[in-house]
Order: sequence, then C-alpha cells, then structure tokens
Amino acid sequence: GENVEQHPSTLSVQEGDSAVIKCTYSDSASNYFPWYKQELGKGPQLIIDIRSNVGEKKDQRIAVTLNKTAKHFSLHITETQPEDSAVYFCAARKGGSYIPTFGRGTSLIVHP
Amino acid sequence: EAGVAQSPRYKIIEKRQSVAFWCNPISGHATLYWYQQILGQGPKLLIQFQNNGVVDDSQLPKDRFSAERLKGVDSTLKIQPAKLEDSAVYLCASSTRADGYTFGSGTRLTVV
Repeated sequence: GENVEQHPSTLSVQEGDSAVIKCTYSDSASNYFPWYKQELGKGPQLIIDIRSNVGEKKDQRIAVTLNKTAKHFSLHITETQPEDSAVYFCAARKGGSYIPTFGRGTSLIVHP
Repeated sequence: EAGVAQSPRYKIIEKRQSVAFWCNPISGHATLYWYQQILGQGPKLLIQFQNNGVVDDSQLPKDRFSAERLKGVDSTLKIQPAKLEDSAVYLCASSTRADGYTFGSGTRLTVV
C-alpha cells in the first residue's frame, strides 16, 4: 500500500519567517495530495490540496509544490504568524479511492 | 453549515471495560469515516460507511471494535474490551465526494 513520509517532525521558526514541510510518497498511482492543519483539541482541517496534473498551487501565504517524478510534495508557509502554530499533516490518495494515507505530522511552532 | 459532531470529548476507562463513541455527520453527507489517531501519528482509517453500508473495514480490529451507522446518518463506534494500546483520539469525518473531508473534533480515549 501507499507509504507517506513527512519531515521534519518538529519545526520552530520566528514570526515572519518562512516554513517548509516536505513529504514523499511511494505509490506512483497517487494523484491527489491534501494538506491538513490540526490545532490543539480539534480535528484536522483541509488547508490546501494539489492534484497530479498541477505542479504548484498557491493560496495567500500558503503554497504547495508537487514533483511527480521524484514523488515528493511540499508545503510552504510565508510570513508565518503565531496562529500558524499547529500540527500539519500531508496525505496522498490514489485515483478511485476516497481514503488518503496520512504522514506522521509536523508540529510547527511560530515564536512571536 | 454545522460541522461533524462527536461525543463525548474525553473518556477515561479501565482496561477490559467497554466504551462507545457517537458521531453525527454533516447533513447530507453520505460517506462517514472513523479514524484512530495515536499520539504523534497521522490518522489511520478504521472504517468507511457509504450511507448505512460498510465500504471498507479492513483496518478495524473486529475482535474488539464494532461500528454501525443506522439509517445512514449517525454512527457509533464501540470498543469491547478495551486495551491500553487503544488510547488515542477517535476522529469521525464525513464527505459528499472524495475531496470533501470534514473532521469532527474527536474523542480522546485514555485506557488505564
């Protein structure tokens, strides 16, 4: 089955810096890559996603890039703010499936 | 729209006891999922329902876990008897289509 590796497990940055979280996947049939943000005591919330026919997608301060050849994708957060502090999960899903495989998560800490 | 509702928020039980969790999905969402999230890991799918039928329960430890979704709306997940390694957050999610996952806030279970 699909295996998703996520790095780093913890990321600490100063407010205003950029943060990058990287994921790799194993199954070349995966074609949908969502990113979730999980705040303390809450369920994961979808923040951005990308499909395999697109190399990059941006939404205000967050962007996601996808390299299908290398089977890796990344989340980029610019001008980080304390409210960006949370656990971020990447995931990969095959076509025809409803079920994504999640990475282990990255705890992002933004220091004011 | 109202989100995915789950109860209780927290539960502490002794090993070998039984416990049940309840989920009310977003109105009109045909697909419902139960996930187990162990501390420091990404969510892992336990079971997927489409209306009131089971689509995928391959990861559900059926000797102790059971789930049902009566009338294609609310769902309950039960553990009997509980083990220490069942300590986790149990997340319910619902969707209308493959991309539209919405998670509830989860139930944090501690087995002592």
